[in-house]
Amino acid sequence: EAGVAQSPRYKIIEKRQSVAFWCNPISGHATLYWYQQILGQGPKLLIQFQNNGVVDDSQLPKDRFSAERLKGVDSTLKIQPAKLEDSAVYLCASTSDRAGGYTFGSGTRLTVV
Amino acid sequence: SQQGEEDPQALSIQEGENATMNCSYKTSINNLQWYRQNSGRGLVHLILIRSNEREKHSGRLRVTLDTSKKSSSLLITASRAADTASYFCATDTGRRALTFGSGTRLQVQP
Repeated sequence: EAGVAQSPRYKIIEKRQSVAFWCNPISGHATLYWYQQILGQGPKLLIQFQNNGVVDDSQLPKDRFSAERLKGVDSTLKIQPAKLEDSAVYLCASTSDRAGGYTFGSGTRLTVV
Repeated sequence: SQQGEEDPQALSIQEGENATMNCSYKTSINNLQWYRQNSGRGLVHLILIRSNEREKHSGRLRVTLDTSKKSSSLLITASRAADTASYFCATDTGRRALTFGSGTRLQVQP
C-alpha cells in the first residue's frame, strides 16, 4: 500500500509569513495526526482528526496554527504568522486501528528565519 | 508533556554487539510502542506490546514491559550499521494520541 504522503519536504520562510503543509494519509485510514518535532526532541501532538472531525487539538497554538481535514481524507496544517520557534519537522501520521501502530509520512522540515 | 523518557540519550556500539534502550513512563497504559527514525525521515513503527504482555519478539528485536515499574526496554541483537537511527518509545493510554519520549540516538560503528 502507498504510504502517507506529505508536501513540501522542505520550506524556508521569514518570520511573520504564513505557510501550509499538506498530508494525504493511507487510503481508508480514518484517524489522522499532525505532530511537531523540534530538533533533538520527540514528536509532540498538535491535532488529531477522526474522519473530518477534530478529536484533540488541546496542544495546538490556535492563535497561529490551524488545520482542517476536508471530506475526511487529505489534511492541511497552516501557520500564520510564523515565529522562529516554529522551526521544526511537521509529521503527519494515520492509522486505521485506534489501538494499533501509526504510519508516518516523511515530514516537512520548516525553517523560519 | 513527555510521557515516556528514554535512557540513554545516546548509545554508540560496534557492529555485532547488542543494543539496549530503556523507556520509563508515568501513567497507566493500554500499550507501548517503539519507533525508529532515520535522520531526516519519518518514524517507522517497530513493535507494539500490550499492557498484559511482558515480552515480545520481532526478528532481532526483543521488547519487555514491566507495568509495575512503568518501564520498557528494547533490545536489538547482533546490531548492524543500518540500525543507526533514533529510537522512540510511545505510550497509548487509550484516552489520547500516542505520546512520545525524547528518544535514544543509536550509532552502530562498522
